[in-house]
Amino acid sequence: QKEVEQNSGPLSVPEGAIASLNCTYSDRGSQSFFWYRQYSGKSPELIMFIYSNGDKEDGRFTAQLNKASQYVSLLIRDSQPSDSATYLCAVRSGGSNYKLTFGKGTLLTVNP
Amino acid sequence: DGGITQSPKYLFRKEGQNVTLSCEQNLNHDAMYWYRQDPGQGLRLIYYSQIVNDFQKGDIAEGYSVSREKKESFPLTVTSAQKNPTAFYLCASREGGHYGYTFGSGTRLTVV
Repeated sequence: QKEVEQNSGPLSVPEGAIASLNCTYSDRGSQSFFWYRQYSGKSPELIMFIYSNGDKEDGRFTAQLNKASQYVSLLIRDSQPSDSATYLCAVRSGGSNYKLTFGKGTLLTVNP
Repeated sequence: DGGITQSPKYLFRKEGQNVTLSCEQNLNHDAMYWYRQDPGQGLRLIYYSQIVNDFQKGDIAEGYSVSREKKESFPLTVTSAQKNPTAFYLCASREGGHYGYTFGSGTRLTVV
């Protein structure tokens, strides 16, 4: 069973701080990695994807991937109250069938 | 505007009934997916389809059925064999390459 693990939280940070969200995965052949944001009662929306080792930056968001450690993280700089949501890590495993396995999500709360 | 439309937004099912959840996309995506989300469980894959007239079981297909007669449409039927159908159901589609999913707004199904 391919697994994706996240700390369920809640993770609480003050406004303006850096929020760090972490994810580990079990399938060493995994190819692509995604971060989704999900507000309460809403559907997930894609924030970032990464498939090469290293960092990828997009505005206040940075995704970091370390395939050797089977670890992917999301940093949110200058956190805002509107960033308060559940963040889902998703992993595409190897093979011809393209499907994502999701972690259970980390609840982030940004306090004004 | 392009997107994925799920209907209805809320659905109530009596014990022993089959119900069908609609998912329509105008993004011209080949692949479509159905996930189920329960509190604290993350997203679990029910069925997916990578091309018209073909679909595969996901991790929790028992008690569900699908069809893919048109590229735009991927309806999910929750049968009476599904013993615990109350959940938030999410339909998604995917562009090719490394891109992640685009989700619909979801259908919340409750057994009454």
